[in-house]
Amino acid sequence: DAKTTQPTSMDCAEGRAANLPCNHSTISGNEYVYWYRQIHSQGPQYIIHGLKNNETNEMASLIITEDRKSSTLILPHATLRDTAVYYCIVRVATNAGKSTFGDGTTLTVKP
Amino acid sequence: NAGVTQTPKFRILKIGQSMTLQCAQDMNHNYMYWYRQDPGMGLKLIYYSVGAGITDKGEVPNGYNVSRSTTEDFPLRLELAAPSQTSVYFCASSYSDLLKETQYFGPGTRLLVL
Repeated sequence: DAKTTQPTSMDCAEGRAANLPCNHSTISGNEYVYWYRQIHSQGPQYIIHGLKNNETNEMASLIITEDRKSSTLILPHATLRDTAVYYCIVRVATNAGKSTFGDGTTLTVKP
Repeated sequence: NAGVTQTPKFRILKIGQSMTLQCAQDMNHNYMYWYRQDPGMGLKLIYYSVGAGITDKGEVPNGYNVSRSTTEDFPLRLELAAPSQTSVYFCASSYSDLLKETQYFGPGTRLLVL
């Protein structure tokens, strides 16, 4: 699986958009980009995933660059409850045993 | 649906003791996983299973054993507890759907080895 690089921490003002970057320069053609988050020692929660097209769901949007070497998770209107560690994972969809979460980005949403 | 359940929530072990961390899911998922998370760190995969009777090692399998006799249950066994195994343990499960390998996580078991 491709290795990912994320900033250690980020701050965001409540109500503003939170943009979390992830670099995955060694991604291969059949690898998906997944995002999970973990709120205060709870189990990680799935947010969104994509292959090469931008994706949007009720929680967030995922923007993947055309060369697929990086992506950005966007929380459009961050709330205090979005304070969490966000993990970017890149792997083949069928390679379940190779999930590597890394250390993630700690997002702190401030009032 | 209870989702993924884990027991116990918290346990203190003495060095050399053994214990089994229980994990069960009621979503009929084929895939199940065990992760550990040390303080301030990301999750590391210990073992995983793609179906009943099939298990395989993850990144950090040493000191642990698993079994998968049913689709629902995936217990993790620590035979000789060591302080290095102090961690939070998460169990997860997922569909075997090729297009959306979303993992559902349990609430975690906090283990302290003294």
